[in-house]
Amino acid sequence: GESVGLHLPTLSVQEGDNSIINCAYSNSASDYFIWYKQESGKGPQFIIDIRSNMDKRQGQRVTVLLNKTVKHLSLQIAATQPGDSAVYFCAEKISPPGWQGTGRRALTFGSGTRLQVQP
Amino acid sequence: DTEVTQTPKHLVMGMTNKKSLKCEQHMGHRAMYWYKQKAKKPPELMFVYSYEKLSINESVPSRFSPECPNSSLLNLHLHALQPEDSALYLCASSQETAMNTEAFFGQGTRLTVV
Repeated sequence: GESVGLHLPTLSVQEGDNSIINCAYSNSASDYFIWYKQESGKGPQFIIDIRSNMDKRQGQRVTVLLNKTVKHLSLQIAATQPGDSAVYFCAEKISPPGWQGTGRRALTFGSGTRLQVQP
Repeated sequence: DTEVTQTPKHLVMGMTNKKSLKCEQHMGHRAMYWYKQKAKKPPELMFVYSYEKLSINESVPSRFSPECPNSSLLNLHLHALQPEDSALYLCASSQETAMNTEAFFGQGTRLTVV
């Protein structure tokens, strides 16, 4: 299944299926992106990152794709498991408004997608 | 040790109280961050410390006062908060603000202002 993460939508998939979570980022100058997983009552947990000089990066069961032309990021989870149920956020490292050009940068998060895995 | 430790885990405070949130990391990271997260929303950046100096303040009201006593510790002092300040407050750290490396997050402090 697929989702577009603009309003914290919910993506519901069957256990064992592949999941695709999408994210549109805002700043064409962003050069570093991270996907985080956040379970209920916990802090965000790093999943995978990608730099802007790459268009694909693979981890264990996860793949991140970056399309700089349309400013789009996706997270693919293979063989989704019940333990993958969580909210997923993309984040880009940018200088906040008013701080551009100062070298001061921090992660800014997208709106998130809830992944529900049905057993 | 890749942990960021936040205390307390839960805090209930009145609007006239003064309290502090604490954050600690021992990864040698020189950048530390405070984020605020409301329910069903993404974390929002509040403050960034780089080499123990305040680097970014995202127009946060003065009732929130950050402090970085040393490279391992980050505090957030709270005074005269409003009920709408109730949220999950997340601390994070990373190697440096300029480097493209991941930020590690703590489990957060769930703050309720009554």
